Amino acid sequence: GAGVSQTPSNKVTEKGKYVELRCDPISGHTALYWYRQSLGQGPEFLIYFQGTGAADDSGLPNDRFFAVRPEGSVSTLKIQRTERGDSAVYLCASSSDPASEAFFGQGTRLTVV
Amino acid sequence: SQELEQSPQSLIVQEGKNLTINCTSSKTLYGLYWYKQKYGEGLIFLMMLQKGGEEKSHEKITAKLDEKKQQSSLHITASQPSHAGIYLCGADNTGGFKTIFGAGTRLFVKA
Repeated sequence: GAGVSQTPSNKVTEKGKYVELRCDPISGHTALYWYRQSLGQGPEFLIYFQGTGAADDSGLPNDRFFAVRPEGSVSTLKIQRTERGDSAVYLCASSSDPASEAFFGQGTRLTVV
Repeated sequence: SQELEQSPQSLIVQEGKNLTINCTSSKTLYGLYWYKQKYGEGLIFLMMLQKGGEEKSHEKITAKLDEKKQQSSLHITASQPSHAGIYLCGADNTGGFKTIFGAGTRLFVKA
């Protein structure tokens, strides 16, 4: 596609529920990143994919967070047993290679009530 | 771990005025990125700097990276309301892919 697409744009869920956030990167981009942005802060790195594999998942806060990219294109960020502290904007970005600039999607605003 | 500090945290300028935003790193930068974020939206790539002393310009925005590659500045000339938003600097601290970000500078332009 023309840009990075994230769905849904907004998600409200109850504490303890499971959520999935989807990212469609720019076609042909092999590198894909997930970030989390809390109010008033810069994006915080979560995980980086090169192709289908997670090259670095050191930013995932705990084992409730998991991400996949099975075919090297679309990625899904999965959060189990959501907590109110998980509320944030989740941003996805892709780049043609790790050394190039990353292009960001509009983000998914997750609210856990 | 590397940290990026941005200053000022927020800035209010009269339309037509010039302004400068700074980004300082605790370690040598391998690549420095400037992004703009409209409130509630994703990040828009502005410029990337990789070499010490490098300077790039796009329309009325100029970004510089110092020789030691630990500080960058973003300068806007003759600001317009369309320049309003959050300016974020990001860096690849290990020469690789991972990008860390500063907390951002919130720019307001008064018409």
